[in-house]
Amino acid sequence: DAGVIQSPRHEVTEMGQEVTLRCKPISGHNSLFWYRQTMMRGLELLIYFNNNVPIDDSGMPEDRFSAKMPNASFSTLKIQPSEPRDSAVYFCASRPQTGGASGELFFGEGSRLTVL
Amino acid sequence: KQEVTQIPAALSVPEGENLVLNCSFTDSAIYNLQWFRQDPGKGLTSLLLIQSSQREQTSGRLNASLDKSSGRSTLYIAASQPGDSATYLCAVNDYKLSFGAGTTVTVRA
Repeated sequence: DAGVIQSPRHEVTEMGQEVTLRCKPISGHNSLFWYRQTMMRGLELLIYFNNNVPIDDSGMPEDRFSAKMPNASFSTLKIQPSEPRDSAVYFCASRPQTGGASGELFFGEGSRLTVL
Repeated sequence: KQEVTQIPAALSVPEGENLVLNCSFTDSAIYNLQWFRQDPGKGLTSLLLIQSSQREQTSGRLNASLDKSSGRSTLYIAASQPGDSATYLCAVNDYKLSFGAGTTVTVRA
């Protein structure tokens, strides 16, 4: 399997612009997680989905952030408008249906976002 | 809210020495605990997954122990090599993963 695929790998944008990050989970995985990593705060969970339904979005920092999972093979994280403090590495992870909540998480390579 | 702490924050050892990395967590109602490795500018590579019913898990030179009642896990890396230099992250799964800040390891040749 190709693993969790994220795009773009790097994004540089101007403050105020819209940013869309994409994630393709591993086939057969029914849970998907979005994390953000910064030097100051480490890895923080933003939102997670189970069977395409958002279960917990309490980590989404502001209304500027939104996430969708229209089907089992695709998710997006959108920031509109972007701000310099959104600069971070955003990771997507997925977990297989077998094993349920005790399954192993697999991470993508991350999307490095720089907002100027 | 689950709090995960990793000690020490950084560690530098000569090649061949054994490594001991510690992780503690506040809520013992967990499904499992996962240890990851992260190289600079890279993603997270899963090293070991230890279920809440297990006490120990081994893979090659790596061994992880779990004491759920005391909220502790330890990752042992035997006979360290320069290629082991990386940041090691502990993540506790109580349905969603909560991460520690990591231990950055440098193995000197």
